[in-house]
Amino acid sequence: NAGVMQNPRHLVRRRGQEARLRCSPMKGHSHVYWYRQLPEEGLKFMVYLQKENIIDESGMPKERFSAEFPKEGPSILRIQQVVRGDSAAYFCASSPPGNRATQYFGPGTRLLVL
Amino acid sequence: AQTVTQSQPEMSVQEAETVTLSCTYDTSESDYYLFWYKQPPSRQMILVIRQEAYKQQNATENRFSVNFQKAAKSFSLKISDSQLGDAAMYFCAYRSPLIQGAQKLVFGQGTRLTINP
Repeated sequence: NAGVMQNPRHLVRRRGQEARLRCSPMKGHSHVYWYRQLPEEGLKFMVYLQKENIIDESGMPKERFSAEFPKEGPSILRIQQVVRGDSAAYFCASSPPGNRATQYFGPGTRLLVL
Repeated sequence: AQTVTQSQPEMSVQEAETVTLSCTYDTSESDYYLFWYKQPPSRQMILVIRQEAYKQQNATENRFSVNFQKAAKSFSLKISDSQLGDAAMYFCAYRSPLIQGAQKLVFGQGTRLTINP
């Protein structure tokens, strides 16, 4: 059973460009979570999605950031008009349904904004 | 809001020795989950151990065990017989299972563990 897949693993963007980060959950997992890790810090929750629904986006910046988890295909975290402060590692985690399920993390995408 | 605090930014231990990493948390809930995740230089987040708050017995996974003190809101990780491969950042995390839509993990700041050969 393949783990959580994220791509790309590394992404370089210039200021003002768009960044698209993809996450394919583990087989059988319908819940996806995105976290951001700034250098030398712990992970911070951004958004929690189920298929075609955003459940909790309390950690998402109000502007430029959006996330989706369509019925078919991976979950996408989209950052428009990137700025240097967006440089970070972005982790996706997935879990099966149920309030007591454990989240399993992908390898992360390292975003560098020049 | 729940908070998680790891007061030890760095720890070091001799290979084969035992080390304990501290974690405290703040919550008003009675049922929740606690986790320790390991992040090696590859930066992959790896689940080490998990504890359900309603269970009095401390969780163990091979050389890893926890000391869960619910009243004190303390959740320390003990690593026995430390190995070079244990060198990593260790993150303590909290999660509430009861509130619909509140499955997010709240992480501490991390403790960097160095293993001295």
